[in-house]
Amino acid sequence: SQQGEEDPQALSIQEGENATMNCSYKTSINNLQWYRQNSGRGLVHLILIRSNEREKHSGRLRVTLDTSKKSSSLLITASRAADTASYFCATVSSGGYNKLIFGAGTRLAVHP
Amino acid sequence: EAQVTQNPRYLITVTGKKLTVTCSQNMNHEYMSWYRQDPGLGLRQIYYSMNVEVTDKGDVPEGYKVSRKEKRNFPLILESPSPNQTSLYFCASRPGGFTDTQYFGPGTRLTVL
Repeated sequence: SQQGEEDPQALSIQEGENATMNCSYKTSINNLQWYRQNSGRGLVHLILIRSNEREKHSGRLRVTLDTSKKSSSLLITASRAADTASYFCATVSSGGYNKLIFGAGTRLAVHP
Repeated sequence: EAQVTQNPRYLITVTGKKLTVTCSQNMNHEYMSWYRQDPGLGLRQIYYSMNVEVTDKGDVPEGYKVSRKEKRNFPLILESPSPNQTSLYFCASRPGGFTDTQYFGPGTRLTVL
């Protein structure tokens, strides 16, 4: 079952612009994680935000979490062509510690 | 280098021919899992293991088997593959806690004809 739903499904921007991706989920969570996947390759963990946190930063990444709306956003500032990838949110439910539940992802294309 | 490895990376096989995809991690992680990735569906968990000799079903376990005889290895077995198991498969591991970062292997692209 899919927990996270990313929006938009695809995003196309120019280098230097900011990219914002959103994720909505259905059940109470312990934490939410964002992953990046280059075409056909393994996923790489970007950032984890716990349910009691509202915002987290890592380099050019900024993640927010609104548990009342069951949503999260990932902002990539000053995007680069190398940021072109698919981005997935994944949640760990409050009661289900044994698995991450992934959304379908957002495909980001950053054009030089 | 800390990593999760999978073999083979690419496999084309025929319906009914048993196959095994190996997964190995060198980080002494307790938790390992298998996912399949299909277009538009994201990643779905097949099986997971919390430690040696402890395995459990994920969301889509039908048609798959796993074993965890050693901490570092977690093979995925398809006893009688069918075309609907054509997919991209990922093995992953993490130290144990649910707030731990999960590390993914490079993926195995399986085609069942």
